[in-house]
Amino acid sequence: QVQLVESGRGVVQPGRSLRLSCAASGFTFSTYGMHWVRQAPGKGLEWVAVIWNDGSSEYYADSVKGRFTISRDNSKNTLYLQMNSLRAEDTAVYYCARAYTASHTGHFDYWGQGTLVTVSS
Amino acid sequence: QSVLTQPPSASGTPGQRVAISCSGSSSNIGNNYVYWYRQLPGTAPKLLIYRNNQRPSGVPDRFSGSKSGTSASLAISGLRSEDEADYYCAAWDDSLSGWVFGGGTKLTVL
Repeated sequence: QVQLVESGRGVVQPGRSLRLSCAASGFTFSTYGMHWVRQAPGKGLEWVAVIWNDGSSEYYADSVKGRFTISRDNSKNTLYLQMNSLRAEDTAVYYCARAYTASHTGHFDYWGQGTLVTVSS
Repeated sequence: QSVLTQPPSASGTPGQRVAISCSGSSSNIGNNYVYWYRQLPGTAPKLLIYRNNQRPSGVPDRFSGSKSGTSASLAISGLRSEDEADYYCAAWDDSLSGWVFGGGTKLTVL
């Protein structure tokens, strides 16, 4: 069955960096686009970024553009989110989610369990 | 402030029908499909409705979606206590070149 497992949770100081990983299994990873979606404590869902199946295209939310980079290693079935210049408002549970298609379109059909990132001094 | 606007809360009694609205603009709902997700406390969201009104396998026909112009709606009939959850609408936004979510609606079954 499809499984997405995020890792990289932790507490980090403002201005520092952190990399999240999402290990995928149970499907042909290189066939699907992949997303990161976050949820601040007690708040709603916020889409962060998407990468096409072959890594050829990426889109970002304005709130993270220029600071976060989404990438993937299809040989390792792993999705990444490099987060730089972290701010307090980046504190959230970060979910990876599979796109229904190879690109940015279509629904998010499978989600990981999420990993908590806390940005605090 | 979310790009898609949902009421923060909704409620109903068991057996009733409730509807949750989602309002957007021509760059998102008006020109793209709408999706609905349900999130139970402490868990990841789960797809409820795709392409405006399609149900994934396993989602009961008590749940239905509709779209008209720049607004969409999720209806739940035969309300049950287990329907208590947060519900989110989502759509691709052509102007932002990104996905946008509604702020979420907390459904309470009285």
